[in-house]
Amino acid sequence: KNQVEQSPQSLIILEGKNCTLQCNYTVSPFSNLRWYKQDTGRGPVSLTIMTFSENTKSNGRYTATLDADTKQSSLHITASQLSDSASYICVVSPDNYGQNFVFGPGTRLSVLP
Amino acid sequence: EADIYQTPRYLVIGTGKKITLECSQTMGHDKMYWYQQDPGMELHLIHYSYGVNSTEKGDLSSESTVSRIRTEHFPLTLESARPSHTSQYLCASSEFRNSPLHFGNGTRLTVT
Repeated sequence: KNQVEQSPQSLIILEGKNCTLQCNYTVSPFSNLRWYKQDTGRGPVSLTIMTFSENTKSNGRYTATLDADTKQSSLHITASQLSDSASYICVVSPDNYGQNFVFGPGTRLSVLP
Repeated sequence: EADIYQTPRYLVIGTGKKITLECSQTMGHDKMYWYQQDPGMELHLIHYSYGVNSTEKGDLSSESTVSRIRTEHFPLTLESARPSHTSQYLCASSEFRNSPLHFGNGTRLTVT
């Protein structure tokens, strides 16, 4: 069964600190892996999309890594800000047809002053 | 942010009512999606569309219908609302197969 697991379930850090969120997947075949940020009461917003051949992709203070061999991805947030408080969702696409996305449950990040 | 709009933002209705959740996008995207999301849980696909007059069912489609008469409009209808339909409904669109999904801000539905 295609699944995406994320850890930790929730995380609390102080403003200015770095953090890393984990994503493990058992989706096969693999097309691409995406990270989304979802603020409370809003829809998810795309952070990165990585294909099989990409190991790292950055978007400002967000850096995603992908190890397709071990089926693991991480999202590293540098110098966290209060506005980073949100849920971060890992999404894997098993094909190129664009509708069979497998969503993880998300990691809830709280950044405190 | 992407131009995709959902109305209403919040809706409280009684059991048995028929409701339509609206979704519109101004980006000209062919692909559109409806997802259901419960707090702290994964998004689950309800319906999707590849273009005008093209709709397909997702995992949770059995109690709802959609239509795609115009590219920009993708409404979702619940024929008879039940308390189990209480959830957040997210609409999304994308340009190409590997393009990002652009989400609306959702409709929070409560069925009493």
